Amino acid sequence: DAGVIQSPRHEVTEMGQEVTLRCKPISGHDYLFWYRQTMMRGLELLIYFNNNVPIDDSGMPEDRFSAKMPNASFSTLKIQPSEPRDSAVYFCASSLPRTGAAGDTQYFGPGTRLTVL
Amino acid sequence: EDQVTQSPEALRLQEGESSSLNCSYTVSGLRGLFWYRQDPGKGPEFLFTLYSAGEEKEKERLKATLTKKESFLHITAPKPEDSATYLCAVQFSGGYNKLIFGAGTRLAVHP
Repeated sequence: DAGVIQSPRHEVTEMGQEVTLRCKPISGHDYLFWYRQTMMRGLELLIYFNNNVPIDDSGMPEDRFSAKMPNASFSTLKIQPSEPRDSAVYFCASSLPRTGAAGDTQYFGPGTRLTVL
Repeated sequence: EDQVTQSPEALRLQEGESSSLNCSYTVSGLRGLFWYRQDPGKGPEFLFTLYSAGEEKEKERLKATLTKKESFLHITAPKPEDSATYLCAVQFSGGYNKLIFGAGTRLAVHP
């Protein structure tokens, strides 16, 4: 079974450039999440989608960040223009909701390590 | 404010020396508490989900327990390959499917 797939695994870019990160969720999962991980702030949720529709983007740091999910098997996170403080590891995760009130498990991809010079 | 606190920040054990990691939470309406393991350069790997106080789950040398205010991850007779960062996260009513993560505990097991 293929897990969550992310590309690229590493990205080095210069300040001001556009960066696009890609994610393919686990087949059949209805929810897709984008996280950012830094030493200072740990794992932070940026945005999540349900059935390709953005549900909560309150974690997106500023207008330079945008995310799309054009279909059930693909999502992008774009940073334009990029800044050095955007350097972090970006993770994508997906989940298949349980019925009822019980919480559902998120499965994470390997991450994209972004370095903005 | 909804919060998840893990302790200790770092833990060094000798191989075979059992110990426990703590995750305390202040959320209203817990829907689930999740434990993940993260190795350097990799994504968090799911370990356990606990849904209600009193619940316990086990996997090899790991055992997770849950009370109304905290969870423990017990590590029995650890081996060097158990070295990793262990992350705790909670999902709560009103948060829909959002996870709030703790800062993690960095575990190092030495031979």
